[in-house]
Amino acid sequence: GENVEQHPSTLSVQEGDSAVIKCTYSDSASNYFPWYKQELGKGPQLIIDIRSNVGEKKDQRIAVTLNKTAKHFSLHITETQPEDSAVYFCAASKTSGTYKYIFGTGTRLKVLA
Amino acid sequence: DAGITQSPRHKVTETGTPVTLRCHQTENHRYMYWYRQDPGHGLRLIHYSYGVKDTDKGEVSDGYSVSRSKTEDFLLTLESATSSQTSVYFCAISDGLAGGSGTQYFGPGTRLTVL
Repeated sequence: GENVEQHPSTLSVQEGDSAVIKCTYSDSASNYFPWYKQELGKGPQLIIDIRSNVGEKKDQRIAVTLNKTAKHFSLHITETQPEDSAVYFCAASKTSGTYKYIFGTGTRLKVLA
Repeated sequence: DAGITQSPRHKVTETGTPVTLRCHQTENHRYMYWYRQDPGHGLRLIHYSYGVKDTDKGEVSDGYSVSRSKTEDFLLTLESATSSQTSVYFCAISDGLAGGSGTQYFGPGTRLTVL
């Protein structure tokens, strides 16, 4: 069935360093890829997304890249800060029909001060 | 934040009892989803709705039922709760507009413990 693999499951970086989280999807018809940040005790919050007709998207310190041929996409956080510490989830979806998401299993990011 | 509320936010119940969780939205979005979140599994879809009285199963629907009698409310029912249903439950909504991305927005979650 459809699957999204996410790596690593945990990631520790020093404050100010960059962090990269990678996801691979199986359904070649997927064309929408959101990233969510989940803080302790809260629901996931959308932080950035990308459609399949775009290779890269940036929003301040956050960027997402997409390689359709290899079926993988990545989240890049630069100049990490302690408030970036959270669990990050990737997802893959199709922008039609039911808009169902397939989620990755999450990455716990710790930014060490 | 999207106007989504979930109730209750916390619940402890006993095995075999029925439980109903409520999701309420003020965005008039067409699509609503119920997920469960467990360590090591991420978010898994239980059921979803694509309109009033229109629902379908997700990947982990066994033991759960849903109902949507109004656009704004989506109910998740555990007919006879089991310990394996101890989890955090999230509701999400999406406008599902043609040509749109179908971005989902999540509620704050309900932590359910089945003893």
